[in-house]
Amino acid sequence: QQQVKQSPQSLIVQKGGISIINCAYENTAFDYFPWYQQFPGKGPALLIAIRPDVSEKKEGRFTISFNKSAKQFSLHIMDSQPGDSATYFCAGGSNYKLTFGKGTLLTVNP
Amino acid sequence: EAGVTQSPTHLIKTRGQQATLRCSPISGHTSVYWYQQALGLGLQFLLWYDEGEERNRGNFPPRFSGRQFPNYSSELNVNALELEDSALYLCASSLKLTGENEKLFFGSGTQLSVL
Repeated sequence: QQQVKQSPQSLIVQKGGISIINCAYENTAFDYFPWYQQFPGKGPALLIAIRPDVSEKKEGRFTISFNKSAKQFSLHIMDSQPGDSATYFCAGGSNYKLTFGKGTLLTVNP
Repeated sequence: EAGVTQSPTHLIKTRGQQATLRCSPISGHTSVYWYQQALGLGLQFLLWYDEGEERNRGNFPPRFSGRQFPNYSSELNVNALELEDSALYLCASSLKLTGENEKLFFGSGTQLSVL
């Protein structure tokens, strides 16, 4: 049972553009929604996270938008840079456990 | 401060053998998580240890097991290896505080190849 569905599977964006990755979840017990960034040969690193009591969180060029009623959340990367090229994972968390989406491979062309 | 360290970086085994993977959490972290990252499947939750006890287990067969030592380091054992066990095994640790317990810090993983 896939509890977190992530799309698209891959995404190509031009430098300076906006990258948007979407996730939908099924488990209403989730109370923590992080995004992780993974570079080749490295483990995932926490990028930004949100709790369901807010609809948006912004940190620099990265913004999470959260829609509790639709059980959806998304990551927006403004002014995308080639250094942002990586795999991005969304996740839902509850009871000390994270359930991850399958990941989005983002390529930012110079 | 050192991050989560995993060893070995790469491990090659043949089908039917046993594999042992090791993880040292960030100093002060008591929780250790194991995830399997197989190609195209994202990160699949394997096991969670805290204070030396197994607290939760993912949907994996019993031949996946592990333990956590008094110094909070952890070991993942995979018995009777199958070809489909080939994957990157990631260890993560967290500091078990209210509101922070799901904030995972990952190591770089052990790439297990089963031939």
